[in-house]
Amino acid sequence: SQQGEEDPQALSIQEGENATMNCSYKTSINNLQWYRQNSGRGLVHLILIRSNEREKHSGRLRVTLDTSKKSSSLLITASRAADTASYFCAFDSWGKLQFGAGTQVVVTP
Amino acid sequence: GAVVSQHPSRVICKSGTSVKIECRSLDFQATTMFWYRQFPKKSLMLMATSNEGSKATYEQGVEKDKFLINHASLTLSTLTVTSAHPEDSSFYICSARGVLAGVYNEQFFGPGTRLTVL
Repeated sequence: SQQGEEDPQALSIQEGENATMNCSYKTSINNLQWYRQNSGRGLVHLILIRSNEREKHSGRLRVTLDTSKKSSSLLITASRAADTASYFCAFDSWGKLQFGAGTQVVVTP
Repeated sequence: GAVVSQHPSRVICKSGTSVKIECRSLDFQATTMFWYRQFPKKSLMLMATSNEGSKATYEQGVEKDKFLINHASLTLSTLTVTSAHPEDSSFYICSARGVLAGVYNEQFFGPGTRLTVL
């Protein structure tokens, strides 16, 4: 399978804490993206980092990419209850997006 | 921003019937559309890639006679689940990639279609 791996599978934190999730892949990539999905809903695009970038910020989100290790991390700072969702990495390889297994994040007030 | 719609959002059908799901790019021309399938609490699995005007390319393990994909125009792709069975029940999501404002864009995702086969 070309799917990426993500860890942890599940993460439970309290509001205000930071949440970090990691993604690893096996092929060469053009870019890596992170998505969020609320239960039973569609995907929301969070951030895209290109293969020649190492770090990117967007609001409370920080993404890193290490192409030598074929891994990426997503950090959500100062989490809120509304951040409760599943988070997926997706890597663009040869024009196709392959998704990681996802991390279920629960933020309790 | 680019918008992709799917119709219907939810469909329930009897076993043995066929169901068609539409995916439309509303404000850009989608030269390529992708179809994904997602089981509960699982990740998205790419089913097939379709380029406008040509046959879809299916991923390994996806039955092309079971999941018929048509991409007849630059704004519309359809997925038809033929002779649906309960195991076909799933969340089907499309995405589209094309040119928006002169720039070749990334994939934009539709909201998904929940298929339940009784």
